[in-house]
This record gives sequence, C-alpha cells and structure tokens, in this order.
Amino acid sequence: NAGVTQTPKFQVLKTGQSMTLQCAQDMNHNSMYWYRQDPGMGLRLIYYSASEGTTDKGEVPNGYNVSRLNKREFSLRLESAAPSQTSVYFCASSDWTQYFGPGTRLLVL
Amino acid sequence: TQLLEQSPQFLSIQEGENLTVYCNSSSVFSSLQWYRQEPGEGPVLLVTVVTGGEVKKLKRLTFQFGDARKDSSLHITAAQPGDTGLYLCAGFDGAGSYQLTFGKGTKLSVIP
Repeated sequence: NAGVTQTPKFQVLKTGQSMTLQCAQDMNHNSMYWYRQDPGMGLRLIYYSASEGTTDKGEVPNGYNVSRLNKREFSLRLESAAPSQTSVYFCASSDWTQYFGPGTRLLVL
Repeated sequence: TQLLEQSPQFLSIQEGENLTVYCNSSSVFSSLQWYRQEPGEGPVLLVTVVTGGEVKKLKRLTFQFGDARKDSSLHITAAQPGDTGLYLCAGFDGAGSYQLTFGKGTKLSVIP
C-alpha cells in the first residue's frame, strides 16, 4: 500500500519546455488534487478532480492542464514552462483526510 | 474566497517550552484540520475538529475549534525537537465544495 506516489521527484526545465507530472493513488479515493507550495504562500490549489471524469479549476490554474486518466491517476501538464512555475508540486487524494504525495521539485530556468 | 490566517508565521523556542499557534478566519468552516509538514515531505494530517468548542488532545498537542467555528488553536506542551516542522491549518466550508482552504503555515523550530 504505497498511498500517493508522484514522479518525477526533481525536474529542471528551460523556459518554454513542456512536461507532465504524474500522480497515482492506491486508496480507492474519488477526489484528487494538485497543489503548488511556494515560500510564504502556503499550499495553493491548482486543479482538483472530485471524481473520475471530472476536473475543476482551483485558485491558480493558469498555465496548467490536468487529466484524470482513471480513478487512480491524475496528471498535471505544463505546456510551456515559465520561471514563475518554479515551485514544489504536491498531489493529494482524499476521502475525508487529504493524503499527500512526497512532492515534485520543479525549477524552470 | 475564504481565507485562513495563521500566526505566528515563524516560531523558535527552547526544548521544554510551551507554545500556541493560531488559525483565524472571518468565515465559518464546517470543519478544520491541522497538518504537519517536515522538510522534503508532504503534509500529514494531525487532527480534524468538527464541532464548535471541540477540544482534541494528541499526546502533548491540544487542538481547539472556536465556538463560532471561525478559528482554531494548536497548543504544544513541553516542546521537543521532534515537533519541529511546518504546521498548517486547513478548512472545509461544507458548501458542497471538495476544496480545502489552507493557511500559510507556522514554521516551528524547537532548539535542543
């Protein structure tokens, strides 16, 4: 029982490059979330998925897209990375408690 | 958008001291959760409080939900170096939303 897993753990991109952050959970949760965490800003919700087949924008969705591939997997895509997207990205899944993955540390140069 | 304000933002204390962290809002929350995050890891749930006035204890940690369900506090007795971390409060507004609103966190350092 791995909980929530995220790949990759670290990534360096150049401005304009694209990438997809992967997230998977094995707890059979309906709800999944993507957050970014920046110093002094706390956790800010990018997108969430209340159930398989649905996605909704959170507080800071601009520059991102998501796919809820199936009940287990929820991916986050940066189509054209910008330095402002340098951050630590957390995926979470939820029944009542939110269970977080270990994070992806992204640096955009 | 509902906001949760945490104070203090930073706290550095000696081992054995007591401390209180506050989480305040002008909005009512149906429930409030406290998480602890250690460096390089994701947040981990400590407790959920649901009823106004509720007090929950977790070993040396005491959590209280305000009567009006707009605020909460976390009190740590006899802090230990292992308590070091980022403490985050987060609230559900209960209005059919699946979103948690997070405070910006209190970074606690307990010095041996």
